[in-house]
Amino acid sequence: GDSVTQMEGPVTLSEEAFLTINCTYTATGYPSLFWYVQYPGEGLQLLLKATKADDKGSNKGFEATYRKETTSFHLEKGSVQVSDSAVYFCALSARQEAGTALIFGKGTTLSVSS
Amino acid sequence: ETGVTQTPRHLVMGMTNKKSLKCEQHLGHNAMYWYKQSAKKPLELMFVYNFKEQTENNSVPSRFSPECPNSSHLFLHLHTLQPEDSALYLCASSTSGGLVEQYFGPGTRLTVT
Repeated sequence: GDSVTQMEGPVTLSEEAFLTINCTYTATGYPSLFWYVQYPGEGLQLLLKATKADDKGSNKGFEATYRKETTSFHLEKGSVQVSDSAVYFCALSARQEAGTALIFGKGTTLSVSS
Repeated sequence: ETGVTQTPRHLVMGMTNKKSLKCEQHLGHNAMYWYKQSAKKPLELMFVYNFKEQTENNSVPSRFSPECPNSSHLFLHLHTLQPEDSALYLCASSTSGGLVEQYFGPGTRLTVT
């Protein structure tokens, strides 16, 4: 079945460091791919998305490129801030049917210190 | 972000109580979802509604009973819960097509005592 695997955390970085959170997926067909972020005590917020191969999603300095050949959608940011500390979820939607639920990875906790 | 609201934000209930969680979306979507988020476990899909019709029940125990009176409102009725049901319950909505993103509410933190 369809699945998402993302790197285990926690990831601990100093402010202004480069961030990579790896995400790979298994899906039939051509899924849409997403990154969500969850700040403490809050729900999930859509961070960025990509809907076809070689698309690059970007938002708030974060980027991820849809790589079909490696079935990957790694999240990157060039210079992290303390305010980026949160849990990051990679997700996919692989079915065309209406009301299809997303499939999520287990989440990666990012902790950024000043 | 106030597109999807959930009430209450926090709920403590005994195992014999009956309570309801409410979700409302203001995004004009036609699909709504309940997810359960427990500590150290992946996000679990519970129910899916599309145009008010339930399209997916992910083997959820009958002590959880969803209700979707219209495309903007979704309820989760709770009764005779167990302590292991303590979790963050997240509501989401989306357009009714596939391959699309979902928008989440802030969640209800439920504690069963």
